[in-house]
Amino acid sequence: EVQLVEAGGGLVQPGGSLRLSCTASGFTFSSHAMAWVRQAPGKGLEWVSAISGGGATTFYADSVRGRFTISRDNSRNTLYLQMNSLRAEDTAVYYCARDFVVVTTVQGWFDPWGRGTLVTVSS
Amino acid sequence: DIVMTQSPDSLAVSLGERATINCKSSQSVLYSSNNANYLAWYQQKPGQPPKLLFYWASARESAVPDRFSAGGSGTDFTLIISSLQTEDVATYYCQQYYDLPYTFGQGTKLEIK
Repeated sequence: EVQLVEAGGGLVQPGGSLRLSCTASGFTFSSHAMAWVRQAPGKGLEWVSAISGGGATTFYADSVRGRFTISRDNSRNTLYLQMNSLRAEDTAVYYCARDFVVVTTVQGWFDPWGRGTLVTVSS
Repeated sequence: DIVMTQSPDSLAVSLGERATINCKSSQSVLYSSNNANYLAWYQQKPGQPPKLLFYWASARESAVPDRFSAGGSGTDFTLIISSLQTEDVATYYCQQYYDLPYTFGQGTKLEIK
């Protein structure tokens, strides 16, 4: 069974940092691009970042570029999101999602998704 | 950025009746070289992550019931549930993957009347 499990969320003060992780199982992790998508409480979905299967190519939303870094460790089947200089508007559930297609380049539509991890930025 | 606009924002339909959700993109998401529309639909039930329903605007993901259909081209797209069931209560999102940043519609909340 394909599974994605996020971890690392929590309460952090404005200006602080967090590192999220997403552990994958049930598929060949390195054969898929991966992404992070967030959802603020009661709001819609916002794509945050994506990374190619090998990790060489990354993309970011303007709202997080320069503050967030996506990376992956294919030997550990794990995706990461390092979040620095956090702001109140970064408060959201962060979902890890797999690119649907079995190609290593980023395609941009996602299935499955993990259950998410909540990040709350507040003093 | 490509702006995705869904209508309506919310919808109440009787069990067994048809539900129609519209999605409009601010620019075409049809790639002329392969004649493909770079448009996906997702279903998000309360307390759950989104689930992919359709990609390439009309290709149904496996295990999606055939009462769900989707179509459209260019800038105008539609998701249809032909006979609403209780398990279809959810928020539905369209998403373009034609260009970065990937963008989602604001969502349409579907309820039982």
